[in-house]
Formats: sequence, structure tokens, C-alpha cells
Amino acid sequence: QSALTQPASVSGSPGQSITISCTGTSSDVGGYHYVSWYQQHPGKAPKLMIYDVSNRPSRVSNRFSGSKSGNTASLTISGLQAEDEADYYCSSYTSNSTLVMFGGGTKLTVL
Amino acid sequence: EVQLVESGGGLVQPGGSLRLSCVASGFSFSDYNMNWVRQAPGKGLEWVSYITSTSSSIYYADSVEGRFTISRDKAKNSLYLQMTNLRAEDTAVYYCAREHLVAVTAFDYWGQGTLVTVSS
Repeated sequence: QSALTQPASVSGSPGQSITISCTGTSSDVGGYHYVSWYQQHPGKAPKLMIYDVSNRPSRVSNRFSGSKSGNTASLTISGLQAEDEADYYCSSYTSNSTLVMFGGGTKLTVL
Repeated sequence: EVQLVESGGGLVQPGGSLRLSCVASGFSFSDYNMNWVRQAPGKGLEWVSYITSTSSSIYYADSVEGRFTISRDKAKNSLYLQMTNLRAEDTAVYYCAREHLVAVTAFDYWGQGTLVTVSS
């Protein structure tokens, strides 16, 4: 089963906003409110940034926000900072045999 | 402080077996569903397996179904992954991850990972 589709890379300058998309199907992203986003720095474990499409854990900066339209979910980072440079992964519950699907990951470069 | 500490990784030959462990602390382990997620070198995340808080429901990715077995021991606050008939494509860092208490398939805490290398 194919992973959710994310752009391989995005970039932005400090202070700008960027958006990362995550496209699935009606069996996963489009059918449920169970989309999450993770940040992963090199050599580190992933960190939950967004859950249930748009909810943010208390320890996560409010510069991070999530949304969904149809089969595509999005992560927006506003006021880009150097520390935001990392890999970002989306995930979703799926009604197919696999319980959870991840996206292929997006490398964010802060210019 | 929530902590998840994995162990048991290492080098194993194709067809071999390995048992991973994850010791949890800083929270009520028996209240949470748990997962294993892996990441091959230089690749993305792949969900591997899920077990409910009471072990009543268990799920596996198609890629490991029939070869891997997830289990947990509440007395030892531990999660396990028994891996058999290992293949080269199972080479990865294996993370244990806690599912958020109210958010389905959202993993709010992760261990540091343990590396499994399958090679002759």
C-alpha cells in the first residue's frame, strides 16, 4: 500500500510561512479526522506537532497549525525559524488493512 | 517525565530472530495503547504494529504480518516485539511510541530507537 503523498522538499526564509501538503484517499486522510504531523531532526526521534488534523500539543509552538480539505491535509509553519529546519511527516488512520499510514516525508530548509 | 527506552537491537543474519524491548516510565503504562514504528536508513517512517492497553486488539503492517509478534507486560511496564524470519528489508531503527490517550493513531511520545541490521 502506497504511503501518503508529500512534497520531497520545501524551503522558506526566516519569518516567512510555508505549507506542507499530505494527500491521501477517502480511506484515510479524507475519511477521518485522524491526521497527525511529526517533526524529526537528524538522528532524533520524531516529535508530535499536530493531532486530529488541527490540534496542537501544549508543548508545541502556536506557529504550527494544521488543516484539511477533502483528501489533502496541510501543515503550516508561520514565522519560520532556523530551528524549524527538519523533516516533517504526516500520518493518518486508514480503514485498509494497515492501521496507520505515514507520508514519505518533507525536508524543510530554512534559507 | 515520560520515558520510553528501547533495547535489543543488533546485527542478525537473514532468517534469524530478535526480540526488542521497550521499558516505559513516568506514566501509567497500563492505560495506554502502544506501537512500534521503524525507519530504514535514510528513509521515512513506517508503522509496524499496535497493541491496545489491555492487549485485546493487535494489528500489524502487511510487511511484517506472520513474522512479528507484539506483546506487553504491565508488571514490567514493558512492550516487546518478537521478530522472526528477518529479511534485509527489515533493517531499520525501531521506535516504540505511545498513542495519545484521546487521539486515534497520534503518537505523543517516542523512544530513542534501537537499530536492527539484517545482513550476512
